[in-house]
Amino acid sequence: DSGVTQTPKHLITATGQRVTLRCSPRSGDLSVYWYQQSLDQGLQFLIQYYNGEERAKGNILERFSAQQFPDLHSELNLSSLELGDSALYFCASSVGLAGGRGEQFFGPGTRLTVL
Amino acid sequence: AQKVTQAQTEISVVEKEDVTLDCVYETRDTTYYLFWYKQPPSGELVFLIRRNSFDEQNEISGRYSWNFQKSTSSFNFTITASQVVDSAVYFCALSESSGGSYIPTFGRGTSLIVHP
Repeated sequence: DSGVTQTPKHLITATGQRVTLRCSPRSGDLSVYWYQQSLDQGLQFLIQYYNGEERAKGNILERFSAQQFPDLHSELNLSSLELGDSALYFCASSVGLAGGRGEQFFGPGTRLTVL
Repeated sequence: AQKVTQAQTEISVVEKEDVTLDCVYETRDTTYYLFWYKQPPSGELVFLIRRNSFDEQNEISGRYSWNFQKSTSSFNFTITASQVVDSAVYFCALSESSGGSYIPTFGRGTSLIVHP
């Protein structure tokens, strides 16, 4: 158990809908990262937040947005969903800003299915 | 161009065989970090090892060993005496600096199947 929690574990929804994925980092970790894993694109970095502020952005669609709250949990909002958004979404956390220099702790993921 | 190439999509071995998973990376940075992660069938990503670009010492951890060679931009992973529980997808990743953050780029993964 990495200490990172994600809810829900599974999500099934329809095209055009909006969903929110939630992540709670390990206790004491200030950085949260979101990743998308799909068969087409592999494991791709979406966005990083550090202590409430956006710090790095990857291949995140404009239909997607995220935020990190004062209690450090983070939410990833996916809107106008398309079939191609079906994927496993991971959240990871690290203590500092440069979590990519060290170990990132990954949550169990949320599997999103868009029908 | 891919920054991290794992040319082996799938490897199938029989238990107790040794197996090496290849990883070739591409970067212009002098400071970077390399990682291996394991993703078992349950889906979570498990950190295995980190190497920084200044540390070319090979590492052994039980049945796992890693061979980092800057001259060939490779960071290969060997499992000795493989076991069925080693069956998983293994990802190699490269982290480079990006405005103070280090964001990993993952390879496409190698699926290892260990047969009893």
